[in-house]
Amino acid sequence: QKEVEQNSGPLSVPEGAIASLNCTYSDRGSQSFFWYRQYSGKSPELIMSIYSNGDKEDGRFTAQLNKASQYVSLLIRDSQPSDSATYLCAVRRYKLSFGAGTTVTVRA
Amino acid sequence: DAGVTQSPTHLIKTRGQQVTLRCSPKSGHDTVSWYQQALGQGPQFIFQYYEEEERQRGNFPDRFSGHQFPNYSSELNVNALLLGDSALYLCASGGTSGSRTDTQYFGPGTRLTVL
Repeated sequence: QKEVEQNSGPLSVPEGAIASLNCTYSDRGSQSFFWYRQYSGKSPELIMSIYSNGDKEDGRFTAQLNKASQYVSLLIRDSQPSDSATYLCAVRRYKLSFGAGTTVTVRA
Repeated sequence: DAGVTQSPTHLIKTRGQQVTLRCSPKSGHDTVSWYQQALGQGPQFIFQYYEEEERQRGNFPDRFSGHQFPNYSSELNVNALLLGDSALYLCASGGTSGSRTDTQYFGPGTRLTVL
């Protein structure tokens, strides 16, 4: 079983729509959860961190955490073409473990 | 405020050679972690350095070694290069090691190609 699994994608959404990204993790002791955005050929850029159950909103991004279900999600509202990228879910207990990423394409 | 920097940007080596990659952490950060990202995959944790010591290590062979200097900068060394070592090597820096809210920020990466 992989430590972190993400919906495989790719995900194509129209401009202005909501993009929904999902992630599950295997280590119940994980304490910190992150979403990174990675443009092609670039390094990952942190967009959200969440540490407690519930929702956390930052601008057009909302992260949701459910530790009982070992589930993390990211919603991107009012998707823009500039949101087209690969989104990486990362989970940490002792070390940071990443999923393989979900590629999102926002079509104009 | 300088972010995480890495050098070189690109590197081409042949099988069996050795390579050294360098990283300077973000100002105020004292931990450095190294990751390997193969094409189409997420970053894989190699190891983390704090107070000039390797604190944690991922599932990588001993060919991968590192060092942290007193100014918190770090090097990643890879010996006996294999074709499969071709990847983007990422350095990330963070605050106090072990803090739950410690956030890691990535440098631009070094693209290593092994021929």
